[in-house]
Amino acid sequence: QVHLVESGGGVVQPGRSLRLSCAASGFIFSDFAMHWVRQAPGKGLEWVSVIWYDGSQKYFADSVKGRFTISRDNSRNTMYLQMNSLRVEDTAVYYCAKSYEVAAILGSWGQGTLVTVSP
Amino acid sequence: DIVMTQTPLSSPVTLGQPASISCRSSQSLVHRDGNTYLSWLQQRPGQPPRLLIYKISKRFSGVPDRFSGSGSGTDFTLKISRVDAEDVGFYYCMQTTHFPHTFGQGTKLEIK
Repeated sequence: QVHLVESGGGVVQPGRSLRLSCAASGFIFSDFAMHWVRQAPGKGLEWVSVIWYDGSQKYFADSVKGRFTISRDNSRNTMYLQMNSLRVEDTAVYYCAKSYEVAAILGSWGQGTLVTVSP
Repeated sequence: DIVMTQTPLSSPVTLGQPASISCRSSQSLVHRDGNTYLSWLQQRPGQPPRLLIYKISKRFSGVPDRFSGSGSGTDFTLKISRVDAEDVGFYYCMQTTHFPHTFGQGTKLEIK
């Protein structure tokens, strides 16, 4: 059974950094692309980033390009989102999601971790 | 970026009656591999999103068959044949054919 657990959220000041983790279990982590999706309080969903199963390809939303990086450690079954130069508008619940069949299908989702960027 | 437009944004439905949500994309969602990566997700109150439908019409594992998807190119529809109380929440279409991936604004399904 797929299990995804996000961690690393918290309260941070604008301009600071934070690293989120997504610990995966129940499947062969190294076989699947992984995504980050976020949801600001009371708002809709926004796709953030994807990393290929082997880390060879990475894509980002324009709103985070140049500030966020995505990585994974297949030996630890964990994906990361390094968030630098945080802005108030980055405040959101951050979900990780596992791909299904191909990278373009987000099949299973974690419970999310809340990031609050506040002066 | 591809803009995904959902209608309606709110849908009050009577239990046991059908419901339908439309999603229109600003460009064709046909991928160069021939597939159309249009998904529908459900988000119940206080819960993370859950995949219902992928590639326009394929039901994900464990999804009741009262949920169905249809459409092509730029116009897509999610239908619920008989709304159940557990279907309350938000529904999002999402395109993953093009980068950046984008979502519709969400449709709130509520019981009359």
